[in-house]
Amino acid sequence: QSVLTQPPSASGTPGQRVTISCSGSSSNIKKNTVNWYQQLPGTAPKLLIYTNNQRPSGVPDRFSASKSGTSASLAISGLQSEDEATYYCAAWDDSLNGPVFGGGTKLTVL
Amino acid sequence: EVQLVESGGGLVQPGRSLRLSCAGSGFAFGDHDMSWVRQAPGKGLEWVGFIRSKAYGGTTEYAASVKGRFTFSRDDSKSIAYLQMNSLETEDTAVYYCTRAFIVQVTAATYWYFGHWGRGTLVTVSS
Repeated sequence: QSVLTQPPSASGTPGQRVTISCSGSSSNIKKNTVNWYQQLPGTAPKLLIYTNNQRPSGVPDRFSASKSGTSASLAISGLQSEDEATYYCAAWDDSLNGPVFGGGTKLTVL
Repeated sequence: EVQLVESGGGLVQPGRSLRLSCAGSGFAFGDHDMSWVRQAPGKGLEWVGFIRSKAYGGTTEYAASVKGRFTFSRDDSKSIAYLQMNSLETEDTAVYYCTRAFIVQVTAATYWYFGHWGRGTLVTVSS
């Protein structure tokens, strides 16, 4: 059971916009910054979004994220086949003095 | 280009020990916090812990699941971080990723992220 709650799966067709939710609590998402990681099949995770809504260099602006209260969300617009991956949210948790991850959302591009 | 390369994984019996290494290149290794994240087969990501840079005292923090059994260290002269794993359990079976961490803690919040990841090394604990 992960500390942060994500839907296990999501799907969309090419060109569509999809969102992935992440629910936490006052000790993690509400107080600290949220990051999102993309893990393509068979590869290591990659930082996709940091500090709630910032994109690292090289990440397309089709990816965006937001945070409100104890929840966060990732949006992917103009869905492409190469976006098929598992997406993880993560936030620092003051109770643990370390980060906690969501269980991951496997995105399928139909 | 920032690169992190883990090594030292393998098959080990329950109760035994293993040491993982993470070699960094392409950046000033000693200036950065380093963290480990693991992923059990078919499962999600689990933070293992981190070791701060010398500028932050080289302090360490561990997840409850490994505290007392795992130990982080670093040799900045060689740009290598180590994860010493003792009293291994079958539940420790996972791919272990080394990450370069950014952690800034202020009163209002903790700003953090794992910006760069290695490819991981598989640790299998089985008799």
